[in-house]
Amino acid sequence: SQQGEEDPQALSIQEGENATMNCSYKTSINNLQWYRQNSGRGLVHLILIRSNEREKHSGRLRVTLDTSKKSSSLLITASRAADTASYFCATEEGYQKVTFGTGTKLQVIP
Amino acid sequence: GAVVSQHPSRVICKSGTSVKIECRSLDFQATTMFWYRQFPKKSLMLMATSNEGSKATYEQGVEKDKFLINHASLTLSTLTVTSAHPEDSSFYICSAGGAPVETQYFGPGTRLLVL
Repeated sequence: SQQGEEDPQALSIQEGENATMNCSYKTSINNLQWYRQNSGRGLVHLILIRSNEREKHSGRLRVTLDTSKKSSSLLITASRAADTASYFCATEEGYQKVTFGTGTKLQVIP
Repeated sequence: GAVVSQHPSRVICKSGTSVKIECRSLDFQATTMFWYRQFPKKSLMLMATSNEGSKATYEQGVEKDKFLINHASLTLSTLTVTSAHPEDSSFYICSAGGAPVETQYFGPGTRLLVL
């Protein structure tokens, strides 16, 4: 079973707006990763945040991690049509035990 | 929700032997399956895309003769690590795409240790 649950399941926004996706998990983790997947393609790694970190930035991406609430958020600022994809969070617990969330499907309307 | 299983969940083998990992979609037909590998403290690396009834598409740097992928049915894909060596020790995870194709479901992963 997948311990990560993402919210919302689907998100549709206008180009230029910000998109926020949330991920909740249940157990203690070593790190949390966000991945992107374009239709019919494999995962692309976006960003990794370790359990002792609270926030990380990468370009237009901002990831936060709240271990007390066991949740993470991915913010994409100034969205573009090319950001349309599915986004997954994945938690790593123990040694290389990676569990994926159910994903958020983002649609950015030009 | 859709479930993807992997078997075995963990395997220990001797160097030189071959290991087969199965990825099954339990309640849907998966036209596409992906195989990933995770190195310690690294993110997942896509190894190959497996399409039912056709040859797998391998990512650059992945040896197709080393990692044999078969997707003979809409519910089963297999990854065979041939002549495994200690450096092949890793965590292998598959995902399966159903309909709509954008939806991906991940297996629980297989931990391979080659001695």
